[in-house]
Amino acid sequence: RKEVEQDPGPFNVPEGATVAFNCTYSNSASQSFFWYRQDCRKEPKLLMSVYSSGNEDGRFTAQLNRASQYISLLIRDSKLSDSATYLCVVNSGGGNKLTFGTGTQLKVEL
Amino acid sequence: DVKVTQSSRYLVKRTGEKVFLECVQDMDHENMFWYRQDPGLGLRLIYFSYDVKMKEKGDIPEGYSVSREKKERFSLILESASTNQTSMYLCASNRDRPLYFGPGTRLTVL
Repeated sequence: RKEVEQDPGPFNVPEGATVAFNCTYSNSASQSFFWYRQDCRKEPKLLMSVYSSGNEDGRFTAQLNRASQYISLLIRDSKLSDSATYLCVVNSGGGNKLTFGTGTQLKVEL
Repeated sequence: DVKVTQSSRYLVKRTGEKVFLECVQDMDHENMFWYRQDPGLGLRLIYFSYDVKMKEKGDIPEGYSVSREKKERFSLILESASTNQTSMYLCASNRDRPLYFGPGTRLTVL
């Protein structure tokens, strides 16, 4: 089983839609969780950290479910500019080592 | 603003050549990392370093070595490049979390 698993997509959604991605992780001792965004041919950039109580940043909401070992990302009112690959990242080995999921591709269409 | 730079955006080398990929960060980060990114496999950690002259193997160190002689610089070395090392190489740094990435080097080994 992979340490971090994501549905690769693509998720094709119309502009204005709400879309959600899930990511599961295998190490129950994982402490830190993040969502990164990666545009085509660009480097990954931090979108948001994921906190135990859930957190929101504008149209983006991240949640953590420790019991079921998954994190989620909800995007409301999708924009064309949200089209990208979203990477789930987990600190699974302690220290500073982060494990990346393979990413979920989102395409927002007119 | 954190800046991580990589010496080349694109590189073409021949099988058997020795290849140096350079990475420099300007934020006095202790930790530096080298990843490679391949379609369907996501980002995989090659090597990382917590301090000058320190290095630790990541998940896929075979065929690679690293050098960290100065805090701001972390070099990835392919001693004898092979075609299966054709990939996107991403350098990253941080002090705690999250990671900040460089723009990547797309290496092609012919």
